[in-house]
Amino acid sequence: DGGITQSPKYLFRKEGQNVTLSCEQNLNHDAMYWYRQDPGQGLRLIYYSQIVNDFQKGDIAEGYSVSREKKESFPLTVTSAQKNPTAFYLCASSPSGRGLGVEKLFFGSGTQLSVL
Amino acid sequence: EDQVTQSPEALRLQEGESSSLNCSYTVSGLRGLFWYRQDPGKGPEFLFTLYSAGEEKEKERLKATLTKKESFLHITAPKPEDSATYLCAVRESWGKLQFGAGTQVVVTP
Repeated sequence: DGGITQSPKYLFRKEGQNVTLSCEQNLNHDAMYWYRQDPGQGLRLIYYSQIVNDFQKGDIAEGYSVSREKKESFPLTVTSAQKNPTAFYLCASSPSGRGLGVEKLFFGSGTQLSVL
Repeated sequence: EDQVTQSPEALRLQEGESSSLNCSYTVSGLRGLFWYRQDPGKGPEFLFTLYSAGEEKEKERLKATLTKKESFLHITAPKPEDSATYLCAVRESWGKLQFGAGTQVVVTP
């Protein structure tokens, strides 16, 4: 079945540590996204990529980094510079490179990141 | 400034008790309004896209409508399996999606 796979499901970060969240899709979608979800708030865009080897900052990119070396993969690194990383992280994709148009997003099942 | 506001924050319904969720928005140049369903610990699942005022979409017990300022998600005769958080998102003319905080719906037998 086609879909988006996020791993791990749960992740714990120690202070000063960088951690990487995995996102893989087999939908052959060009565009991929990372969102952060906090209780009582709407999803907020961290980074997005409309094509391989290119990505753009979203609304809350500080303390995060991404790469897009393969069409299928869009890993997110939460760096030690992100002082409040505890949240539910969602990866999404959409079919075309014009992903900011009217296409719907397909979401993965999320990673819950907590600070030890 | 909030551009997408969902109300109520939480809704508790008896099975069979119909109700409506509201999504109001202030964005200009609306290019699409999206409804998603999210179960606890899962990613959102797409329900509907609405593009213009007066448009309606239906799926099983759910019906979404759109005006120039807001959208409603009507749940008719809900069942316990309709319990979830319902998210609304709007896309402005310049591109990015803006999500509301969601309405948590609990349907009890």
